[in-house]
Amino acid sequence: AQRVTQPEKLLSVFKGAPVELKCNYSYSGSPELFWYVQYSRQRLQLLLRHISRESIKGFTADLNKGETSFHLKKPFAQEEDSAMYYCALSKKGGFQKLVFGTGTRLLVSP
Amino acid sequence: GAVVSQHPSWVICKSGTSVKIECRSLDFQATTMFWYRQFPKQSLMLMATSNEGSKATYEQGVEKDKFLINHASLTLSTLTVTSAHPEDSSFYICSARDVDTLSYEQYFGPGTRLTVT
Repeated sequence: AQRVTQPEKLLSVFKGAPVELKCNYSYSGSPELFWYVQYSRQRLQLLLRHISRESIKGFTADLNKGETSFHLKKPFAQEEDSAMYYCALSKKGGFQKLVFGTGTRLLVSP
Repeated sequence: GAVVSQHPSWVICKSGTSVKIECRSLDFQATTMFWYRQFPKQSLMLMATSNEGSKATYEQGVEKDKFLINHASLTLSTLTVTSAHPEDSSFYICSARDVDTLSYEQYFGPGTRLTVT
């Protein structure tokens, strides 16, 4: 069975501090991992995915297959980063369904 | 960018009535759309995968006869909550993938808040 775990419901940091939102997964096959973000009163949107190995808005995430983790990191948090972050997993290839973690609310204070 | 709309954005209905929620891809075609349910302060739970021109695939534990899904065209999927009860009150969100790209990205609608009284 596919499962995504985000152990922190809330992560509160000060502006300029480093941020790491944790995500662990369990899946027997080869997964695709994603981070989705939901800003206040906005719809869910894709932040980044592991296959593209990109940095979006200063965020990066590396897939660690040994630790089955896909933690989201940013070296210097900004107030506008405050949002709900969801880690998600799907099977590789094709139009596969997403399995979401429970989400972590990031609050960046000035 | 790709936009997905939902209508209505919120609806209140009486127990025992049925409610239809529409999900539209505005500027792209989607052979596959997904319906999620989100309880307050909880994650999105996939209810079903909607396939254009064929039957929807429901997740385990989701009642097919209660949550009717119709994907009649490449830009429209509907979710009908039949004989709604207060426990069906929730936030329903749809998403869609662009059939013309190889992107894995799902584009999400803004959601529909259903309150059953």
